[in-house]
Formats: sequence, C-alpha cells, structure tokens
Amino acid sequence: NAGVTQTPKFQVLKTGQSMTLQCAQDMNHNSMYWYRQDPGMGLRLIYYSASEGTTDKGEVPDGYNVSRLKKQNFLLGLESAAPSQTSVYFCASSYSTGTGSYEQYFGPGTRLTVT
Amino acid sequence: GQNIDQPTEMTATEGAIVQINCTYQTSGFNGLFWYQQHAGEAPTFLSYNVLDGLEEKGRFSSFLSRSKGYSYLLLKELQMKDSASYLCAVSDSNYQLIWGAGTKLIIKP
Repeated sequence: NAGVTQTPKFQVLKTGQSMTLQCAQDMNHNSMYWYRQDPGMGLRLIYYSASEGTTDKGEVPDGYNVSRLKKQNFLLGLESAAPSQTSVYFCASSYSTGTGSYEQYFGPGTRLTVT
Repeated sequence: GQNIDQPTEMTATEGAIVQINCTYQTSGFNGLFWYQQHAGEAPTFLSYNVLDGLEEKGRFSSFLSRSKGYSYLLLKELQMKDSASYLCAVSDSNYQLIWGAGTKLIIKP
C-alpha cells in the first residue's frame, strides 16, 4: 500500500517551459488536491477534484491546469513556467462524501525551481 | 476574509510540555485539524476536533473552543523527534481546508 505517490521529486525548469506533475493514490479516495507550499505561508490550494472527471479551482489556480481522467490519478500542468511558480508542490487525497471533513493524506512533494 | 494565526516559532526543552495555539476566523466551521510536518517531508495527520473540548491521543492532546475561534495542541514529554512544524487547518463551509502558516517547534536537549 503505497498511499500517495508523486513524480518527479525534484525538477528545474527554465522560464517558459512546460511540465506535468503526476500524482497517484491507491486508497480508492474520491477527492484529490494539489497544494503549493512557500516559506512563511500556509499550504495554498491550487486545484481539487471531488471525483473522477471533475475539477475545481482553489485559491491560486492561475498558471496551472489539471486533469482527473482516472480515479487514482491527478495531474497538475504548468503551461509556461514562471519564477513565481518556484515552490514545493504537494498532492493529497481524502475519502470525501461532500458532507463531512476527512483527513487528507499527502504525497512526498515535488520541489520545483523555475529559473 | 479567512484567517488562521499561529506563532511562527517556539522553543522548548526535551522532556517538557509545550502548547501551540491557533486562532481562526473562517467562513463556516466543519472541524479543525492538526498536522505535523518534519523538514523536507509531507504533512501527516495528528488530530481532528469538531466539538468543544479536549481530545487526548498519547503524548499529544488537542483542544477546541468554537465560541472563541481557538484551538491548541499540547505536546507532553517532549522528545527530540518532535522537532517539526505543526500546522493548524480549519475545514470551512465547503469542507475545504484553510491552512495556517505553521509553527516551527525547536526542541533543545
């Protein structure tokens, strides 16, 4: 039982390049999330998905896109990377029915640097 | 707006007790979570409170007062491995988590 896995663990991009961060969970969770974590700030929600095939914007969605084609996978895309997107990105999942609060399980994170 | 406040950093001595406070103002309330995050690692779940009062789990306890918008995490018999950041998060009216910036706890021998 791997839990939540993320690839890659580290990435360096040049301004304007694109890439996709991958996230997979094997807990059969309905909900998945993408956060970014910057020094001195709380985790900020980029996008979330309440179920397979649905996605919604979070607090800081600009410059990102997501897809949830399969229940176990949630992809985060950067179309044209900017230095302001240098951050640590965490994927999380939770069992969620939409009517209760459940703990979120986090992946190990992707450390992205944009130069 | 929505706001979660925690002290930025705290220092405590091995074997002692420390209390980490969290105050919140959010649009709706559906519970409060505490997570632990070691440097360079992912957050891991510690506790969840939705009703007023104290929840005890081994060396860790968490308290909630909904009327005051206040919670604390109490760590007893501190060990060096407790050196980490402690994150407070509130589940809002849409069941989305609003996160505090975290409290870095430094344990000294």
